[in-house]
Amino acid sequence: QKEVEQDPGPLSVPEGAIVSLNCTYSNSAFQYFMWYRQYSRKGPELLMYTYSSGNKEDGRFTAQVDKSSKYISLFIRDSQPSDSATYLCAMSPGGGNKLTFGTGTQLKVEL
Amino acid sequence: DAGITQSPRYKITETGRQVTLMCHQTWSHSYMFWYRQDLGHGLRLIYYSAAADITDKGEVPDGYVVSRSKTENFPLTLESATRSQTSVYFCASSESGGGREQYFGPGTRLTVT
Repeated sequence: QKEVEQDPGPLSVPEGAIVSLNCTYSNSAFQYFMWYRQYSRKGPELLMYTYSSGNKEDGRFTAQVDKSSKYISLFIRDSQPSDSATYLCAMSPGGGNKLTFGTGTQLKVEL
Repeated sequence: DAGITQSPRYKITETGRQVTLMCHQTWSHSYMFWYRQDLGHGLRLIYYSAAADITDKGEVPDGYVVSRSKTENFPLTLESATRSQTSVYFCASSESGGGREQYFGPGTRLTVT
């Protein structure tokens, strides 16, 4: 079993929909959680960064961490065709440790 | 331009050849990383460096060599390329450490024939 699990999709939604992307993990030591967006043939771009549990909002994006359930989510409100990309979750215990990535969820927002 | 750059962006080489992928960052970040990204495997760490002259193996280091003589550069060398090393390679850097936010370059698409 992988340390971080992420549904690969593809997930197809109509423009304006609320999108929910999720990752589950098994390592209870994880404290730092990130979401990356990767457009086709581009490098991953850091989208959201949270520490420990709770919510963080940035414009149309909300990152949620539930450490008791070992579950993190990224919500996208009023989704746009420009949100079509692969979304990668990443996490770590912090310090000198390395990031553990999910394999990514492919999202397509259709007109 | 500020940021992290990689060169070349595309490379085709033959089995057995030595290939070097370049990575340069202008942020003076201490940490730098090399990943490969393959379908079904996601991003896998090859090597990382915590500072100039300090490097360490990641998850899939076999067949690769790195060096870091200057903070801003972190070249990755495939000593004798194999077809299994056909992949997209990403360099990343971090100010705060390996377990914190990392910033990625645009990638190098390498094909070994």
